[in-house]
Amino acid sequence: DVKVTQSSRYLVKRTGEKVFLECVQDMDHENMFWYRQDPGLGLRLIYFSYDVKMKEKGDIPEGYSVSREKKERFSLILESASTNQTSMYLCATLSSTDTQYFGPGTRLTVL
Amino acid sequence: GQQLNQSPQSMFIQEGEDVSMNCTSSSIFNTWLWYKQDPGEGPVLLIALYKAGELTSNGRLTAQFGITRKDSFLNISASIPSDVGIYFCAGQLHSGGSNYKLTFGKGTLLTVNP
Repeated sequence: DVKVTQSSRYLVKRTGEKVFLECVQDMDHENMFWYRQDPGLGLRLIYFSYDVKMKEKGDIPEGYSVSREKKERFSLILESASTNQTSMYLCATLSSTDTQYFGPGTRLTVL
Repeated sequence: GQQLNQSPQSMFIQEGEDVSMNCTSSSIFNTWLWYKQDPGEGPVLLIALYKAGELTSNGRLTAQFGITRKDSFLNISASIPSDVGIYFCAGQLHSGGSNYKLTFGKGTLLTVNP
């Protein structure tokens, strides 16, 4: 079974704080993804990584950065959190059969 | 990014009824995926389709990859209360290199009345 874990299920931060969201997978997959999910807007891709230290912008990268220092871990960073970054954040990994598997999500609230 | 047209947006049915939902796109895909998401959880993969015309079942769920590669449907037979949730379709076109971007439908909210 593919296992994707996210460091927190719920997170509350203040405007201007630096926020780290961590995602870990145990399947040695090369490709990992960060999405945010908002009502009425669906899932939108923020960044993805296809190898260690490699990253590409998705559809909405502004206000975010990512880090992939080890294959199993993909971090999403909010350098200075803002209220419009309150959202559900979902990490996913891509299997060898081109199927994306999601983590349980982190619901982030920025006050 | 491009969105898939997923319909219906919501369904309210009686337990035991069959359900059908579909997704269409103006672009072709190599892979169609169907996910279910419970409130506060991440999407869970239900069925993956890799070939045009493919029909795949997973228990009471059946999904098909359209011949044109631009559409897919998901059927749920004999619905039960735990089928409640949001169902998403997703299309993937691997266009070479590192590009494995998924395009998502906006979801179908299913409510099952016991």
